[in-house]
Amino acid sequence: NAGVTQTPKFQVLKTGQSMTLQCAQDMNHEYMSWYRQDPGMGLRLIHYSVGAGITDQGEVPNGYNVSRSTTEDFPLRLLSAAPSQTSVYFCASSYWVADSYEQYFGPGTRLTVT
Amino acid sequence: QQQVKQSPQSLIVQKGGISIINCAYENTAFDYFPWYQQFPGKGPALLIAIRPDVSEKKEGRFTISFNKSAKQFSLHIMDSQPGDSATYFCAASRGNNNDMRFGAGTRLTVKP
Repeated sequence: NAGVTQTPKFQVLKTGQSMTLQCAQDMNHEYMSWYRQDPGMGLRLIHYSVGAGITDQGEVPNGYNVSRSTTEDFPLRLLSAAPSQTSVYFCASSYWVADSYEQYFGPGTRLTVT
Repeated sequence: QQQVKQSPQSLIVQKGGISIINCAYENTAFDYFPWYQQFPGKGPALLIAIRPDVSEKKEGRFTISFNKSAKQFSLHIMDSQPGDSATYFCAASRGNNNDMRFGAGTRLTVKP
């Protein structure tokens, strides 16, 4: 049981390049999310999904696309990278049990856009 | 503009002391308030959470206090240990969805 895996761990992009951050979970969780973490800003929700085929925008969705074709995978696409997208990106999978929202985060991808 | 305001930004506590981190929110539709702990180089991990129908929840050395009328909640870490040194985030969400809003984080250092 690997939990939530993210690839790559580190990535450097040039402005204007596109790329996909991969996220996979093997816990059969319905919910998955993408966050970015910036110093002094906490974590900000980019996009989330409540099940295969269903996605929605979070707090800071501009410049990012997602899709969820399977329960396991939730890739995040940067369409045209900008320096403002330099950040640490975390994927999370989660479920509700009783009254608790159990959210499991991946190890993160550190992205630098030059 | 952050929907959840967290303070202080950093906190230094002696071993055995009490660490207190505070959060405030504006959106009265929020109905779930978790706290996360994050160690350097790792993703956050759920520590403890509370619903607004209770004023306090305790799990081991960690306690959440919740004040619905003031729209504030806080994390108390009793008998703080050097191993508790980490960044702590409060968060809030509404309904049974995963649209969660986080505070800016508090870096806690517990000195031996």
